[in-house]
Amino acid sequence: SYELTQPPSVSVSPGQTASITCSGDKLGDKYACWYQQKPGQSPVLVIYQDSKRPSGIPERFSASNSGNTATLTISGTQAMDEADYYCQAWDSSTYVFGTGTRVTVL
Amino acid sequence: EVHLLESGGGLVQPGESLRLSCAASGFTFSSYVMSWVRQAPGKGLEWVSGISGSGASTYYADSVKGRFTISRDNSKNTLYLQMNSLRAEDTAVYYCANVMTGSRAFDYWGQGTLVTVAS
Repeated sequence: SYELTQPPSVSVSPGQTASITCSGDKLGDKYACWYQQKPGQSPVLVIYQDSKRPSGIPERFSASNSGNTATLTISGTQAMDEADYYCQAWDSSTYVFGTGTRVTVL
Repeated sequence: EVHLLESGGGLVQPGESLRLSCAASGFTFSSYVMSWVRQAPGKGLEWVSGISGSGASTYYADSVKGRFTISRDNSKNTLYLQMNSLRAEDTAVYYCANVMTGSRAFDYWGQGTLVTVAS
């Protein structure tokens, strides 16, 4: 079965840039999307179709997808961005989530 | 405004059954693929099952295939998940979510309903 691997944690200082990777076999050939989940809340879609932002998602969230790796970048990270982030792709009629990354804003 | 409201969760013993519901509003329900996604306590997200807008096509994760059945009633704007032969490892918050057209991304999520399987 298809797997997506993320680093367990990423730390970033306020105002700096956080990058979260998501690795999977030929992931660049699929659409990747990203979700933000804060404690006790439902996930929120922040990126779809590799790099598009849904309405209401701040411009500081950007992403790319190529080769075997998709990357979510948070520029000018704010305290409110502290959360768990999950990548997701679709493969063989199933939706696959990444292992998740906890972003800590120090 | 899109709204998804799950219900039906609770505490059940191993081997028992439970049916979850998800009431949808704020969009043309029958036009959207819908899914169930679960999250075990302290763990990551796991896709469980999906269904086409018409209900004609259904999809399942290997972990629930043969035990869970997804369905929908478009006249009631409601999504269901019938869960049979429940196991301790099915303990999780179950979310319903709609799939953004053309993107295979989960656009909107409900608040989730907790299913606990324990003796």
